[in-house]
Amino acid sequence: NAGVMQNPRHLVRRRGQEARLRCSPMKGHSHVYWYRQLPEEGLKFMVYLQKENIIDESGMPKERFSAEFPKEGPSILRIQQVVRGDSAAYFCASSPPRGRTMNEQFFGPGTRLTVL
Amino acid sequence: QKEVEQDPGPLSVPEGAIVSLNCTYSNSAFQYFMWYRQYSRKGPELLMYTYSSGNKEDGRFTAQVDKSSKYISLFIRDSQPSDSATYLCAFPPQGGSEKLVFGKGTKLTVNP
Repeated sequence: NAGVMQNPRHLVRRRGQEARLRCSPMKGHSHVYWYRQLPEEGLKFMVYLQKENIIDESGMPKERFSAEFPKEGPSILRIQQVVRGDSAAYFCASSPPRGRTMNEQFFGPGTRLTVL
Repeated sequence: QKEVEQDPGPLSVPEGAIVSLNCTYSNSAFQYFMWYRQYSRKGPELLMYTYSSGNKEDGRFTAQVDKSSKYISLFIRDSQPSDSATYLCAFPPQGGSEKLVFGKGTKLTVNP
């Protein structure tokens, strides 16, 4: 059973360009979460999605960032007009449908974004 | 006051040592407690979780919770070089939210 997959693993962008990060959840998982890990910082929640719905985007910056999880295909985290401060590791996690007592989230390997 | 405090280390110990990793938290509504392990350049993986105050043991790992002090610990016995990683405490979603709240992580190196 393949784990959470993210691609690309490394992404280099120049200031002002767009970054698209993709995440395929584990088989059978319908919940996707995005977290950001800045250097020397812990993981910070960004957004929680279910298929075709954004459930909680309280951790998303107000501008330039968006996320989607379409009916078909991977979840996408999109960052427009990137700035140097966006350089970080972005992790995707997935979990099975609600009903479990504990929300165990399974993490992917991350995409390391570097903005030049 | 920060919601979660965790000493980032780094922590360096010789092989075979007992390691103690700790977090404090301020939200008394947290009902269960997690420890994630993150190897360099990898995603975090759930190591242990526990619901109640007291100890939970899994092999060489023991998770300890003191709800009255809002203090959690992870102990590693007979530490191995393969335990070298960053250990993050994590706390569960609250009030319908699904977001995990993480500590900054403690970087541990176990020297052979």
